[in-house]
Formats: sequence, structure tokens, C-alpha cells
Amino acid sequence: DAGVTQSPTHLIKTRGQQVTLRCSPKSGHDTVSWYQQALGQGPQFIFQYYEEEERQRGNFPDRFSGHQFPNYSSELNVNALLLGDSALYLCASRRVGGDEQYFGPGTRLTVT
Amino acid sequence: KQEVTQIPAALSVPEGENLVLNCSFTDSAIYNLQWFRQDPGKGLTSLLLIQSSQREQTSGRLNASLDKSSGRSTLYIAASQPGDSATYLCAANSLGGSQGNLIFGKGTKLSVKP
Repeated sequence: DAGVTQSPTHLIKTRGQQVTLRCSPKSGHDTVSWYQQALGQGPQFIFQYYEEEERQRGNFPDRFSGHQFPNYSSELNVNALLLGDSALYLCASRRVGGDEQYFGPGTRLTVT
Repeated sequence: KQEVTQIPAALSVPEGENLVLNCSFTDSAIYNLQWFRQDPGKGLTSLLLIQSSQREQTSGRLNASLDKSSGRSTLYIAASQPGDSATYLCAANSLGGSQGNLIFGKGTKLSVKP
């Protein structure tokens, strides 16, 4: 049973560029959440997708957007990258009605 | 607004010692609390989930407790091993919002010396 997978593993971008990160949820899961983890900090909630719609959003600007596909996989898009966007981006999935969240290995984004 | 604090930020113990990691939260109206382990540069591994109606959960050498009234949770690790070295994060899932919104502490970095 494959767990949560994310791609790419690492990414280096320049300020002002745009980036797309991808996540495939654990088998049987249909809800995907995205988190940003800066160095030395705990993860911060960005948004959650269920039934291809954004259901809840954390305190992140509109530069952060997402999408969920019919197969439950999800993308996180960040526009106009800033140096402060450098972080580990984590995807988590759970099944509707389930409580436990399962995290992927993350994508390390470096903005130069 | 829910805030989660973990003390201490770092802990170093000799192998074989029993230890307790602490997690406190400001809003007692939580749905559940989850403990995670994170190895350097890696994702999070779920260790234990405690529902708001439960007092504790156990898995192997790990035992997590929850006291909603005092806004505290503890993670007890018995007979620590060098392989337990990692950062341990607790996260509160609060009522009133989506069940997916976890509020994390900054973690406790544990080092177990052989």
C-alpha cells in the first residue's frame, strides 16, 4: 500500500518565478491538505482540498493556490516567489470521516 | 486562536532512559491531538492519535496522554534507543474548523546517546 507521495523532492527557483508541487494521497484517501514548514518551525496549514474544492484555508496570500483532480491527487502552485517561500512543503491525506492524517516526504523548495 | 507549545525545545538523554515530552495547547476545545516524529529533512511519521474523549493511547514503547482541562498532552518514551533520535511534534485538531487543520508546536529535538 503506497503512502503519500510528493514530487519533486527538491526544487530551486529564482525570486519572481512560479512553482508547482504535486501530491498523490494514500490509497483510499480523498482529502488532501498542504503545509509549509520553515526551518526550525512546526508545519503551518496552507489549505485543504476535498471533492476538488478548497474547503479551508490558512493565513497564506493568494499567491498560494491549489487544485485537486478527480483521482484525488493535488497540486500546490506558488506565484511570484519570494525568498521567504523557501521551506519544506508537506502534503497530508486522510479519508473522509477519518481522523488520522498521513504525511508525505515533502518537497524542499529553495528560492534564490 | 489555538496555540501549541512544546517544551523543552531540545533534550539529550543516555540510551535506556525513560523520558517525557510535553505539549500544551491554549484552547481545550480540541477534536483530537496527534503526535508525529520527523527525521532531519524528512516528512512526518504519525506515532499516536488521541481522540478528545480518550485519556491515553499506547503503541509499543510509546504512551501518549491527553488532559483537555489543563490543556496538556505528554508523550512517554520507555527505554529510549539511539534510533529514537528525531524531532517530535504534537498537533492539535480544533473543533469549529475543518478536521484537516492541524495546529503544530515547534517540536522537541530528541537526541539519545549510546
